Amino acid sequence: QVKLQQWGAGLLKPSETLSLTCAVYGGSFSAYSWSWIRQSPGEGLEWLGEINHSGSTDYNPSLKSRLTISIDTPKNQFSLNLTSVTAADTAVYFCARRARSRARYVAYFDTWGQGTLVTVSS
Amino acid sequence: DIRLTQSPSSLSASVGDRLTITCRASQNINVFLNWYQQKSGEAPKLLIYAATSLESGVSPRFSGRGSGTDFTLTINTLQSEDFATYYCQQSHSFPRTFGQGTKVEV
Repeated sequence: QVKLQQWGAGLLKPSETLSLTCAVYGGSFSAYSWSWIRQSPGEGLEWLGEINHSGSTDYNPSLKSRLTISIDTPKNQFSLNLTSVTAADTAVYFCARRARSRARYVAYFDTWGQGTLVTVSS
Repeated sequence: DIRLTQSPSSLSASVGDRLTITCRASQNINVFLNWYQQKSGEAPKLLIYAATSLESGVSPRFSGRGSGTDFTLTINTLQSEDFATYYCQQSHSFPRTFGQGTKVEV
């Protein structure tokens, strides 16, 4: 059974960098891609980006200039860095495993971390 | 970006009811549509992927239909544990996007 456990700072000041890490326990780390998704009260669920085992990334264009997702395959971990945060980045951040269906190759998020509340406030 | 519009935004229901939630995409997304359930304070849970496929371990009371731009999630014989918020999500195009959610209340 796969489990995702995430951690990182929960309180930031404006202009600081948000850093979160997600560790994957169980399952095949290299067979999947790994994603970050956030949820704020006003905006619902927002996909931030994802990375595969070889380090290839896809980012949401709305955040691309501030966002970096990286992977540490030997440790079965992946991380998110979001620079120059503002109050608008206040949200619960989730890491998730991105799988694909065998037919049609449809991507979906089948396993999620517990979520980390990140608050940006001066 | 592909916009997903769910209806209704909220609904009141009772145990034993049959519910249908609709998700409409702003363009043709074939069957690249997934459904999630989220309870307060928890992460979303995958229910349906590729529009109609039931995720392993999920109750068969949940079913999905649709293709193109119009999709539905149906919950048969609503149980107390089904009161939650439901989201659709598309993976046809980047960026991946979610519907605004449908809250199912008592």
